[in-house]
Amino acid sequence: QKEVEQNSGPLSVPEGAIASLNCTYSDRGSQSFFWYRQYSGKSPELIMSIYSNGDKEDGRFTAQLNKASQYVSLLIRDSQPSDSATYLCAVLSGYSTLTFGKGTMLLVSP
Amino acid sequence: DAGVTQSPTHLIKTRGQQVTLRCSPKSGHDTVSWYQQALGQGPQFIFQYYEEEERQRGNFPDRFSGHQFPNYSSELNVNALLLGDSALYLCASRETGASSTGELFFGEGSRLTVL
Repeated sequence: QKEVEQNSGPLSVPEGAIASLNCTYSDRGSQSFFWYRQYSGKSPELIMSIYSNGDKEDGRFTAQLNKASQYVSLLIRDSQPSDSATYLCAVLSGYSTLTFGKGTMLLVSP
Repeated sequence: DAGVTQSPTHLIKTRGQQVTLRCSPKSGHDTVSWYQQALGQGPQFIFQYYEEEERQRGNFPDRFSGHQFPNYSSELNVNALLLGDSALYLCASRETGASSTGELFFGEGSRLTVL
């Protein structure tokens, strides 16, 4: 059974710091990886996708992928209180079927 | 450009009843997937529809069924509701084709409470 593991948190960081969110996955054949942000009571919102080993940067967000270690991470630089949310790691398999982790709650304090 | 739309946004049912949830995909998208998200959990895949056929199914009982219409909209039906069916039900759509990145776009969800 395909699994995606995340630390549930909460991860607490002060405003302006770097938040580091981690995820491991079990299906070695996975090729596509996504980070979704979910505010309380809202639906998941796609913030980053990554398909190749290495880093991918988009504004304050950097996704990192290491397929050999089956590890995906998300770095958020200059964290803001508005970044406080649950971050879901998702791995694509089958016919665009996403397997999600349970999510990591991030709390950014002013 | 309208995104994925779902209805109703909230509903309350009692055990044993049946419920139908509806979804209209993002413009240009032809594949619709349904996910169940219980409180404190990540979304769990229920099934996916493409060309009006169920293409893939997750580990959910037959009480969960669906349909896709020619305009790509979709319905999720749950029969004989259980307390454990209380959750946020998410519809997601994507474009199928060589140019597709596999990214799924989610609607705002339908929050079902079973009493």
